[in-house]
Amino acid sequence: DAGITQSPRHKVTETGTPVTLRCHQTENHRYMYWYRQDPGHGLRLIHYSYGVKDTDKGEVSDGYSVSRSKTEDFLLTLESATSSQTSVYFCAIKQTGGEGYTFGSGTRLTVV
Amino acid sequence: GENVEQHPSTLSVQEGDSAVIKCTYSDSASNYFPWYKQELGKGPQLIIDIRSNVGEKKDQRIAVTLNKTAKHFSLHITETQPEDSAVYFCAAREVTGGGNKLTFGTGTQLKVEL
Repeated sequence: DAGITQSPRHKVTETGTPVTLRCHQTENHRYMYWYRQDPGHGLRLIHYSYGVKDTDKGEVSDGYSVSRSKTEDFLLTLESATSSQTSVYFCAIKQTGGEGYTFGSGTRLTVV
Repeated sequence: GENVEQHPSTLSVQEGDSAVIKCTYSDSASNYFPWYKQELGKGPQLIIDIRSNVGEKKDQRIAVTLNKTAKHFSLHITETQPEDSAVYFCAAREVTGGGNKLTFGTGTQLKVEL
């Protein structure tokens, strides 16, 4: 799947703790995205990146930050996790030179 | 920003019947409309897409139609099979604001019954 790896696949953390999710791609695609998936809401965009150190906010960015220090890695950080951030998080890339968007396998995050 | 509405939220059909899922979008500038299938525990997988300069596209049992004037697009699955059971998402790509962002509908749970 376009060489996208998300880690960890599952994580349980306590309220108030920082959490970082990692998305790694192997094909040098420029655009990368973080979405969260919740029942009844579909997939909502959190943050996206259009190049190294170039990021912008999505629809539901409050409580999240991102970093992209190199092309292959896009990190999503919850500075102080809350129960409302319990969700499944998906990373996606836009295929360079094409229209398609490819998703990773997701990270299931539970905040207790 | 773009807003995508998707209906129905659940759809149950008999094996061999057709299934239709409909989506509407709000931004007339959106120019690309993919459909994703998501199986339990997996990430969404692209199954078909259409650009705004095309009215219809087919790929075997799957077709997508686009009505730009009405700002709606639909997914048609013919001769449904049990393996078609999954959650389906439509999406629209925003052109305004940059970023090539996809906005998704809320999903349709399709169940194909034997």
